[in-house]
Amino acid sequence: NAGVTQTPKFQVLKTGQSMTLQCAQDMNHNSMYWYRQDPGMGLRLIYYSASEGTTDKGEVPNGYNVSRLNKREFSLRLESAAPSQTSVYFCASSEVSVNQPQHFGDGTRLSIL
Amino acid sequence: QKEVEQDPGPLSVPEGAIVSLNCTYSNSAFQYFMWYRQYSRKGPELLMYTYSSGNKEDGRFTAQVDKSSKYISLFIRDSQPSDSATYLCAMNYGQNFVFGPGTRLSVLP
Repeated sequence: NAGVTQTPKFQVLKTGQSMTLQCAQDMNHNSMYWYRQDPGMGLRLIYYSASEGTTDKGEVPNGYNVSRLNKREFSLRLESAAPSQTSVYFCASSEVSVNQPQHFGDGTRLSIL
Repeated sequence: QKEVEQDPGPLSVPEGAIVSLNCTYSNSAFQYFMWYRQYSRKGPELLMYTYSSGNKEDGRFTAQVDKSSKYISLFIRDSQPSDSATYLCAMNYGQNFVFGPGTRLSVLP
């Protein structure tokens, strides 16, 4: 049972390049999330999708876009990468968006030079 | 004041010790409380999920919630080297989900 799968696991970009991070879950969850994790700052929510067809901004959405492709897949796009976006990105899912624990993938480590 | 505070550690204990990890929070609206374990280069893994004040036990792990003091704890009994990880507290109400920054724990053999 894979749970939440993220690709790629590592990526190095140059400033100004674009990239899409992929996430898929096989738990039939309705809600999906993208977080970034930086040292000393904990997990910060970038965007979430409460259900298929909806997306909403989180705490730090600037510089990112998302697409909920279907119930299983939720992608995160950096249109013009900046060094400040160097981070570890985690995708998570939950049964519903209200009062349910989230289940995480193993992350994408992104470095922007 | 941050919404959720957690001592970042690192916390080092000998194998077999009882470990106490704690978080405080400021928003009394939080209703659900979680503890996640995160190994190096891995994603957070849900350990405990609780709603009410009081204790919840699962094997060597006990989660404690004191809503009146806005304080939650995770106790690990008979700690093992395999428990060495970063422990994140998390809490939510409705669609609002907040994580603590994590406490790094090392259990020394």
